[in-house]
Amino acid sequence: DIQMTQSPSSLSASVGDRVTITCRTSQSLSNYLNWFQQKPGQAPKLLIYAASSLESGVPSRFIGSGSGTEFTLTISSLQPEDFATYYCLQSYSVPSVFGPGTKVDVK
Amino acid sequence: QVQLQQSGPGLVKPSQTLSLTCAISGDSVSSNSAAWNWFRQSPSRGLEWLGRTYYRSQWYYDYAVSVKSRITVNPDTSKNQFSLQLNSMTPEDTAMYFCVRDRGHCFDIWGQGTMVTVSS
Repeated sequence: DIQMTQSPSSLSASVGDRVTITCRTSQSLSNYLNWFQQKPGQAPKLLIYAASSLESGVPSRFIGSGSGTEFTLTISSLQPEDFATYYCLQSYSVPSVFGPGTKVDVK
Repeated sequence: QVQLQQSGPGLVKPSQTLSLTCAISGDSVSSNSAAWNWFRQSPSRGLEWLGRTYYRSQWYYDYAVSVKSRITVNPDTSKNQFSLQLNSMTPEDTAMYFCVRDRGHCFDIWGQGTMVTVSS
């Protein structure tokens, strides 16, 4: 199975901050990577697919980049509703594997 | 607008079988461009893919190695839904279960989740 790591595991930030989360994989995914946001008690919400494509309805402050084995999710200016946990997911092959998550909380 | 609506019990006894159903609206379980998945989430295991079914002139099934001996994912074309059966449940199977659409390397639509507790 493809192994996924995320860094950092948690971070504290303020509204307006630029936030960057990194996902690394044990083998190349080409660009088959999804990013999700999850809030307590809710299902994960798709933000980014194909590494850098913004899902319909998602604010443009969410930016995905990368290919191969290293990917980045950037929130250009953190908003109050963005405090949540973020996950990457490899969609290259079965089994689909999630990263362990990055919790973004209030500084 | 595609939606997935989950149904099934929230409490299962040890050794018994979990049965969950995911009703699809706005798409078809027989779609040639989608796959229909089950995931679960627990504090100890994180978000974990369990299995999927999809139709490409015939039905295909894939399962996670960790549950392969006791899982079945089945489509029901008459009701436009798909189901999860997980046999021989143990307390380690306690988790939130989600059904999810994959529209092509993109897991875009999620059910509301079902919290399943395994306890006598």
